[in-house]
Amino acid sequence: NAGVTQTPKFRILKIGQSMTLQCTQDMNHNYMYWYRQDPGMGLKLIYYSVGAGITDKGEVPNGYNVSRSTTEDFPLRLELAAPSQTSVYFCASTHQSRDEQFFGPGTRLTVL
Amino acid sequence: QKEVEQDPGPLSVPEGAIVSLNCTYSNSAFQYFMWYRQYSRKGPELLMYTYSSGNKEDGRFTAQVDKSSKYISLFIRDSQPSDSATYLCAMSQSYSSASKIIFGSGTRLSIRP
Repeated sequence: NAGVTQTPKFRILKIGQSMTLQCTQDMNHNYMYWYRQDPGMGLKLIYYSVGAGITDKGEVPNGYNVSRSTTEDFPLRLELAAPSQTSVYFCASTHQSRDEQFFGPGTRLTVL
Repeated sequence: QKEVEQDPGPLSVPEGAIVSLNCTYSNSAFQYFMWYRQYSRKGPELLMYTYSSGNKEDGRFTAQVDKSSKYISLFIRDSQPSDSATYLCAMSQSYSSASKIIFGSGTRLSIRP
């Protein structure tokens, strides 16, 4: 099992550009999550999904969108990148009946 | 006031020392308490998981929860250079995969050989 994979590893965007952060898991987990991690601020939940076709907002959803068309994939979309979105983004997944979240390696995004 | 407070460190100790990492929280509804370890440029990985008050031991690691004081701790015995990482506490109200997990900001730990 590859676990949770994320692409790209690094990206630099200009203000106003858009991009999609990819996340894929091969553990057949129903639940998937997107977090951002800012220095000294811990992990903040952006969006989560409890299964294909179902998504919900987390603590900091503004400026982001998600979709969940398959169990495996949970992409995160930034439509109009802003400097405040400079962060490290982590995708995670978990089995339906367990709380242990398995994290991907992260995407480091810089918006200039 | 943040829901979860964690001393950011950095904390530097010699190899073999006992390390104590701590978090305080304000929400008395939290019942599930976790410690994640995060190596540099990697995603967090679950280290320990406890429910309600009490202690849980796993090898060199002991997690302690004191709900009356709203205080949790992670102890590392016989610390090794490989323990150098950022340690994040996390907690939630219910045992549900969709429940909101609140993370601390992390404590950076360095073990000197």
